[in-house]
Amino acid sequence: EVQVLESGGGLVQPGGSLRLSCAASGFTFSTYAMSWVRQAPGKGLEWVSAISDRGGSTYYADSVKGQFTISRDNSQNTLYLQMNSLRAEDTAVYYCAKDSVGVPTGAFDYWGQGTLVTVSS
Amino acid sequence: QSVLTQPPSASGTPGQRVTISCSGSSSNIGSNYVYWYQHLPGTAPKLLIYRNNQRPSGVPDRFSGSKSGTSASLAISGLRSEDEADYYCAAWDDSLSVVFGGGTKLTVL
Repeated sequence: EVQVLESGGGLVQPGGSLRLSCAASGFTFSTYAMSWVRQAPGKGLEWVSAISDRGGSTYYADSVKGQFTISRDNSQNTLYLQMNSLRAEDTAVYYCAKDSVGVPTGAFDYWGQGTLVTVSS
Repeated sequence: QSVLTQPPSASGTPGQRVTISCSGSSSNIGSNYVYWYQHLPGTAPKLLIYRNNQRPSGVPDRFSGSKSGTSASLAISGLRSEDEADYYCAAWDDSLSVVFGGGTKLTVL
């Protein structure tokens, strides 16, 4: 059974940092692209970042470029999102999503339950 | 402001057919596949339609997708109360990003 499980969310002060993790199981992690998608309170889904199957290519939404860094450890079947200089507008539930192929397409066939990040003083 | 444009709300009565539109541009819908997601609050989003009009296994054939030019649509026939949810379209954009619609809240009256 395919599972993706996010962790690392929590309350952080403005300007602070947080690293999210996504543990994957039930599929060959190293052959699929992965993404982070977030949903701010009362808002819709917003794609944040993606990484190719082997990690050689990374992609970012303009809203987080230079602020967030996506990475993966295929030996540990884990996806990461390093978030720096956090702002109130980064407050959201962050979902880890598996793409259906090795490059990002937007075809997210499996999602985690999400982890809540709250940026507040 | 989302790159893909959806109506904020839609509604129908049980048994009715409802369509949700998604408008984009030549750099996303016009040149790439469209995907549709169903999202119930507090749960993981679910892939409903992939590659414009394909259904993953387990998705009822009441759900169908279509695409024409830079627009796409999701149709739900035989509307049921459990279809009440938020629906999102998504596509790859040639600017090297995934773009979502703003979401459509479907109410079953």
